[in-house]
Amino acid sequence: AQSVTQLGSHVSVSEGALVLLRCNYSSSVPPYLFWYVQYPNQGLQLLLKYTSAATLVKGINGFEAEFKKSETSFHLTKPSAHMSDAAEYFCAVSATSGTYKYIFGTGTRLKVLA
Amino acid sequence: EPEVTQTPSHQVTQMGQEVILRCVPISNHLYFYWYRQILGQKVEFLVSFYNNEISEKSEIFDDQFSVERPDGSNFTLKIRSTKLEDSAMYFCATTPIRVPEGEQFFGPGTRLTVL
Repeated sequence: AQSVTQLGSHVSVSEGALVLLRCNYSSSVPPYLFWYVQYPNQGLQLLLKYTSAATLVKGINGFEAEFKKSETSFHLTKPSAHMSDAAEYFCAVSATSGTYKYIFGTGTRLKVLA
Repeated sequence: EPEVTQTPSHQVTQMGQEVILRCVPISNHLYFYWYRQILGQKVEFLVSFYNNEISEKSEIFDDQFSVERPDGSNFTLKIRSTKLEDSAMYFCATTPIRVPEGEQFFGPGTRLTVL
């Protein structure tokens, strides 16, 4: 069965500092992986996705993630945090059969300190 | 930009009462999902729906839950007799094409509190 683990339910960084949000997956087949962001009172918005075309994936708002098969990881990074990045971030893998439902991690709430 | 909407944003109900959560999908999307997130836990899949039929459901989706598309726009999740453990944030998601690499478009969620 597929699963996703997000280490750190809360992460705080200073404005301008590197953002690193961790996601590890478990899958017996090549996975399709997603990062979503949820701002207050809004729906989950796709940041980026991995579909095997390239291991380094660039997304919106300056975020990127690198797929590392050897480490079963898909960590999300941004070189310089902005106050507007404060939100909850979800990593997910799509099921490889059925209706391709998403299997989510527990989410990481990012706080950006001035 | 088209978006998925959900109503209400918050719902408080007494245990044993019926609740209906509503979702308006993006207009050309045909595949629908409900997920929920109990506070502090993972977002969990509940059910997927296409062409007026349930396509897949999880173990959570028991006889107390039902989904339907009563008209051409709304997609609803009904809980017949709510339990305390149904308290959660419920997300609707839709997609125009069902493929494993496909993006699902999420609504803002309905926070359900069962007292």
